[in-house]
Amino acid sequence: GENVEQHPSTLSVQEGDSAVIKCTYSDSASNYFPWYKQELGKRPQLIIDIRSNVGEKKDQRIAVTLNKTAKHFSLHITETQPEDSAVYFCAASKGTGANNLFFGTGTRLTVIP
Amino acid sequence: DVKVTQSSRYLVKRTGEKVFLECVQDMDHENMFWYRQDPGLGLRLIYFSYDVKMKEKGDIPEGYSVSREKKERFSLILESASTNQTSMYLCASSDSSANTQYFGPGTRLTVL
Repeated sequence: GENVEQHPSTLSVQEGDSAVIKCTYSDSASNYFPWYKQELGKRPQLIIDIRSNVGEKKDQRIAVTLNKTAKHFSLHITETQPEDSAVYFCAASKGTGANNLFFGTGTRLTVIP
Repeated sequence: DVKVTQSSRYLVKRTGEKVFLECVQDMDHENMFWYRQDPGLGLRLIYFSYDVKMKEKGDIPEGYSVSREKKERFSLILESASTNQTSMYLCASSDSSANTQYFGPGTRLTVL
């Protein structure tokens, strides 16, 4: 089955700096890579996703890059703000059947004001 | 707006009790999922269902069962709760034509 590894497990940045979270996956058939944000005490929510036919996708201050050859993808947050503090999960899916998502173990991001 | 609800936010049970966790979604999604979330381990899939009365084991099905009698409802059952099942349980749903999963608010279960 698919194995998704995520690093780092914790990340602290100063407000205004950039944050990068990296994930690797094992199954070359995976073609969908979402990122979820989970604020303290709340449910995970999708913030951005990318499909294997695209190398990069941006949405305001967040971007995701995908390297299919190396089987890794990354989340980039620029101009970080305190409200970006949360746990971020990456995931991978082959997009077949029930579209199961295989999640990484999460990164706790803390933005220091 | 997709709405996924779970029957309880907090639940305390005793070892050996039978526990039911309920999840309801209102978007007519075919797929529903149960995860448990533990610190440092991320979200681990327990069971999923892609249709009424259909179920498939996820990565950690031992000690759990599920029921999906209606499309909108997916129940997780702990036949005999044990202390190592103390965890946060998250339900999710998705449409079969899309990959995005929508999560419920979670149930924090404590087994004493």
